[in-house]
Amino acid sequence: QVQLVESGGGVVQPGTSLRLSCAASGFTFSNYGMHWVRQAPGKGLEWVAVIWYDGTNKYYADSVKGRFTISRDNSKNTLYLQLNSLRGEDTAVYYCARDRVGGAAKTFDYWGQGTLVTVSS
Amino acid sequence: DIQMTQSPSTLSASVGDRVTITCRASQSIDSWLAWFQQKPGKGPKVLIYKASILETGVPSRFSGSGSGTDFTLTISSLQPDDFATYHCQQYSRYPGTFGQGTKVEIK
Repeated sequence: QVQLVESGGGVVQPGTSLRLSCAASGFTFSNYGMHWVRQAPGKGLEWVAVIWYDGTNKYYADSVKGRFTISRDNSKNTLYLQLNSLRGEDTAVYYCARDRVGGAAKTFDYWGQGTLVTVSS
Repeated sequence: DIQMTQSPSTLSASVGDRVTITCRASQSIDSWLAWFQQKPGKGPKVLIYKASILETGVPSRFSGSGSGTDFTLTISSLQPDDFATYHCQQYSRYPGTFGQGTKVEIK
C-alpha cells in the first residue's frame, strides 16, 4: 500500500535552516508528482510546493519562494524540502502528498502523517 | 489567488444525521474541487475529487456536488467514524487553495 513517511522536523531558531524528507513506498515514485503542504497550529491547510515526477518543473507558494527548495531523488524514493531563513510564521506541521498524476493535477490522493517544524527563539 | 470560503466552521450533529458542508470559490473553478477528511494528529484523506467523484474505498454515504463557484459535501447518515474536520481544495490553478475547514462535532 502507498506509504509516505515524513521526517526531519524539530525546534529551530529564526533565520536557521532545516531539511525535511519524505520516504515513499508502495508505488512507483518516479511516476508521480509530489507536493509539500503545511498546517500551522489550529489553522487550515496551505500548499507549499510541488515537483514534477521527473523533477523538471517546480512551483512554490509566494510565502516561501526564494527560501524553500523542493527536490527529489527517484533512486531513493525520497522527496525533500530545504527550508532556509526560517521565520516564526513557518511553524507548522509539514505534510508530503502525492499528486494524482505526474505533477499537473495540483491535487492529492495520498498524504503522509506530517512532521512538526517549530521556529522559536 | 483563488479564495475558498467554507461554511460552517463548526457543525454539531448526531449519529444518523444528514450533514451538508458548503464551499464557495472566489471565481469559477469549473469542477476542479476536492474534499478531504482529517482526524486529529493525522494527514488528510481524500474523499471526493473533481467535485463529485468518490475516491475508491470511500463509503457511499459521502457525496459531492456543484460546479463553477458553489460546492457541497453531503454525508447522508453520519457515522461515529465521520467526526472529523473536512477541507475543500480548489485545483483549477496554482496555488491550490483550501477552505478554512469544517469541524464536525458530536452533538
